[in-house]
Amino acid sequence: NAGVTQTPKFQVLKTGQSMTLQCAQDMNHEYMSWYRQDPGMGLRLIHYSVGAGITDQGEVPNGYNVSRSTTEDFPLRLLSAAPSQTSVYFCATRPGQGVGNTIYFGEGSWLTVV
Amino acid sequence: GQNIDQPTEMTATEGAIVQINCTYQTSGFNGLFWYQQHAGEAPTFLSYNVLDGLEEKGRFSSFLSRSKGYSYLLLKELQMKDSASYLCAVAGYQKVTFGIGTKLQVIP
Repeated sequence: NAGVTQTPKFQVLKTGQSMTLQCAQDMNHEYMSWYRQDPGMGLRLIHYSVGAGITDQGEVPNGYNVSRSTTEDFPLRLLSAAPSQTSVYFCATRPGQGVGNTIYFGEGSWLTVV
Repeated sequence: GQNIDQPTEMTATEGAIVQINCTYQTSGFNGLFWYQQHAGEAPTFLSYNVLDGLEEKGRFSSFLSRSKGYSYLLLKELQMKDSASYLCAVAGYQKVTFGIGTKLQVIP
């Protein structure tokens, strides 16, 4: 049981480049989210999804795009990378509203934009 | 929206008890989480409270008062490996919002 698989673990991008962070889960969870974590800021919600075909913005969505075509996958796209997007990114899943409430995290992706 | 407050840093002695407080203001409440996060790692689940009261799990206990918008995490018999950040998070209708985390340093 892989749980939440997040790739890549480390990435260096040049300003203006685009890339996709992948997140896959095999637990059939409805809810999936992307957070970024910066020193002194805690985990901040970028985008989230409550099911296939449904996505919504979190606290810091600008510069990021998501889609949820299947229950299993929730990729995060950086459209034109900026140094301000240097951060650690975590994908998180949970079963759904009122259905067991543990949040499962991927191992994280360390992104540096130069 | 959600507003979550917790202390930024705490220091405690090995073998002692420490209480980490979390206060929140929310427009919708569906439970409160506590997570532990060691440096360079992903957060790991400690507890989830949806009803008022104390829930005990080994050395860790978590308390919730919904009317006061208040929770605490109690760590007993502190060990050096408990040095980590402790994240308080509130589940709203669909989103989960995290506090900035409390960095706990356990000293000998």
